[in-house]
Amino acid sequence: EAGVAQSPRYKIIEKRQSVAFWCNPISGHATLYWYQQILGQGPKLLIQFQNNGVVDDSQLPKDRFSAERLKGVDSTLKIQPAKLEDSAVYLCASSLDGTSPQFFGPGTRLTVL
Amino acid sequence: AQKVTQAQTEISVVEKEDVTLDCVYETRDTTYYLFWYKQPPSGELVFLIRRNSFDEQNEISGRYSWNFQKSTSSFNFTITASQVVDSAVYFCALRNNAGNMLTFGGGTRLMVKP
Repeated sequence: EAGVAQSPRYKIIEKRQSVAFWCNPISGHATLYWYQQILGQGPKLLIQFQNNGVVDDSQLPKDRFSAERLKGVDSTLKIQPAKLEDSAVYLCASSLDGTSPQFFGPGTRLTVL
Repeated sequence: AQKVTQAQTEISVVEKEDVTLDCVYETRDTTYYLFWYKQPPSGELVFLIRRNSFDEQNEISGRYSWNFQKSTSSFNFTITASQVVDSAVYFCALRNNAGNMLTFGGGTRLMVKP
C-alpha cells in the first residue's frame, strides 16, 4: 500500500515570497493533517480536514497560511508571504478516520532566506 | 491543556545495550490515547504504538516494550539489545478523546554506536 506522498521534498525561497506544498494521503483515508516541525521540536498541528471540511485550524496563522482539500483527497498548504520563522519541515499525515492512528509523509523542508 | 514532556533530549548508547526513553504527560481528560513515533534521518514519522488510558497492560513487540503507569502519568519506551538502525528521534504524543489532535513531546534523539 502506498504511503502519504508529499512534494516538493525541499524548497528554498526568500522572505515575502509565496510557496505551496502538496499532499496525497493514503487511499481511503478520510482525515488529513498538516503539521509544522521546527528544527529540534516536535510537530505542531496546523490544520485537520475531515474529507473536504476543516475540523481544526486553531493553530494555523491565517494571516499568511491557507490550506484546502477541495475534493476530499489531495491537499495543498500555502504560505503567502513567507517569513524567516516559517523555516521548518511541513509534514502531512492521514488517518482512516478521526480516531485512527496517523501515518506521516516524508515532509517538505522549507528554508526561508 | 495537554502537555508531553520528554526530558531526555539526547541519549547515546553502544550497540546491544538496553535503553529507556522517558515520557511524562499532562491532561485533564479521563479518556486519552498515547503514542510513540520514530523519526529516522529520512524525516518520515513512523507509527510504533497506540495505547488508550484504560489499558495499563505493558506491551512487548520484539525488542520494543512500553511501560504505561497512569499513577505517574508516564509512558516509557524501552529498546532491548539496541542496534545501529534504532538511531533516530523518538516522539511521544498524546491525544484526547474529543478529537484527533496530537500533542507531541520535544523528542529524544537516540544514537546507537557500533
